[in-house]
Amino acid sequence: DAGVTQSPTHLIKTRGQQVTLRCSPKSGHDTVSWYQQALGQGPQFIFQYYEEEERQRGNFPDRFSGHQFPNYSSELNVNALLLGDSALYLCASSLTGKEAQETQYFGPGTRLLVL
Amino acid sequence: AQTVTQSQPEMSVQEAETVTLSCTYDTSESDYYLFWYKQPPSRQMILVIRQEAYKQQNATENRFSVNFQKAAKSFSLKISDSQLGDAAMYFCAYEERKLIFGQGTELSVKP
Repeated sequence: DAGVTQSPTHLIKTRGQQVTLRCSPKSGHDTVSWYQQALGQGPQFIFQYYEEEERQRGNFPDRFSGHQFPNYSSELNVNALLLGDSALYLCASSLTGKEAQETQYFGPGTRLLVL
Repeated sequence: AQTVTQSQPEMSVQEAETVTLSCTYDTSESDYYLFWYKQPPSRQMILVIRQEAYKQQNATENRFSVNFQKAAKSFSLKISDSQLGDAAMYFCAYEERKLIFGQGTELSVKP
């Protein structure tokens, strides 16, 4: 049973560029959440996708956008990169149940460095 | 807004001993979930244990157990028989669809 996978593992970009990060959820999961983790900090929630729609969003600018595909995989896009966007980007998947969302399982992350 | 506070930036424990990591949170909700995640140097976030707020019984997973005090909004993690592989950053998290994380506690294990 494959866990959550993310690609690429590392990425180096320059300011102003655009980047796309990808995530495949754990088998059987239908919900994908994205988090940004700066060095020495706890992860911060970016947004969550369910049924191909953004269900909830954290306090991130519109430069951060996403998408979920019919196979439940997801992309995170960041436009006009800033130095402060350098971080570990974590994807987590879960199964939305009737009563409440199930436990979120994380992928290995994508390390983004903006120069 | 919900917040999660971990007041211990660093903790240290001797191998085979027991250590407790503290976490407090703030919420006005009555139904929610609480988690402890472990993040080793590889930075892979690994689930340690989960607690459902409507359950009074404290969750346990092998050497890991929690002390959940709902009225006090406290959720501490106890690691028994500490092993070298337990060394990592530990994050407490509150869930209401999204996860809200504390700042983390870095645990070192001395041989």
